[in-house]
Amino acid sequence: EAGVAQSPRYKIIEKRQSVAFWCNPISGHATLYWYQQILGQGPKLLIQFQNNGVVDDSQLPKDRFSAERLKGVDSTLKIQPAKLEDSAVYLCASSLVRHSDTQYFGPGTRLTVL
Amino acid sequence: EDKVVQSPLSLVVHEGDTVTLNCSYEVTNFRSLLWYKQEKKAPTFLFMLTSSGIEKKSGRLSSILDKKELFSILNITATQTGDSAIYLCAVLPNNAGNMLTFGGGTRLMVKP
Repeated sequence: EAGVAQSPRYKIIEKRQSVAFWCNPISGHATLYWYQQILGQGPKLLIQFQNNGVVDDSQLPKDRFSAERLKGVDSTLKIQPAKLEDSAVYLCASSLVRHSDTQYFGPGTRLTVL
Repeated sequence: EDKVVQSPLSLVVHEGDTVTLNCSYEVTNFRSLLWYKQEKKAPTFLFMLTSSGIEKKSGRLSSILDKKELFSILNITATQTGDSAIYLCAVLPNNAGNMLTFGGGTRLMVKP
């Protein structure tokens, strides 16, 4: 069974530029999550989708971050414009159903903002 | 606000040693506690604990939950260099969402 796929694996941009990350969850997984993991910290949930609808985006900085999952499968997370403090690993995870306790994580995208 | 604190922050041991990692939590309406191992980037699932006093075991790893004292421990016996990783603890509340709150992790280094 293929795992959660993410791209790119690494991205370096300058502050005020825009960046987008892509995630393809495990086939059949209805719930998709985006996490931000700053160096030395645990992952922090940014947004949770159930199919193509947003379940929780309370910790998403909506002035600069946006995410979508238009067809209920792939998802993109965008930052526009980026700030230095956005440097982190962005992890995507998926679970089979909304109340599944087991989330499977992708390899992440390491973003460096200069 | 849900809170998870892990200790120690980091740990260096030699192969063959036994280690105990700690996780304490505060969560409204607790549902489960999960342990993940993070090497490189992607956290990989280890255990899910929902009941007090029942040990979960997988090879050299084991974990137990104390819902009265609000903590969990992860034990690794006969450590190997391949156990070197960040170990993350997360809690899941019993609400409509599915929001995991992670601790800061314990970085374990096992030296040969």
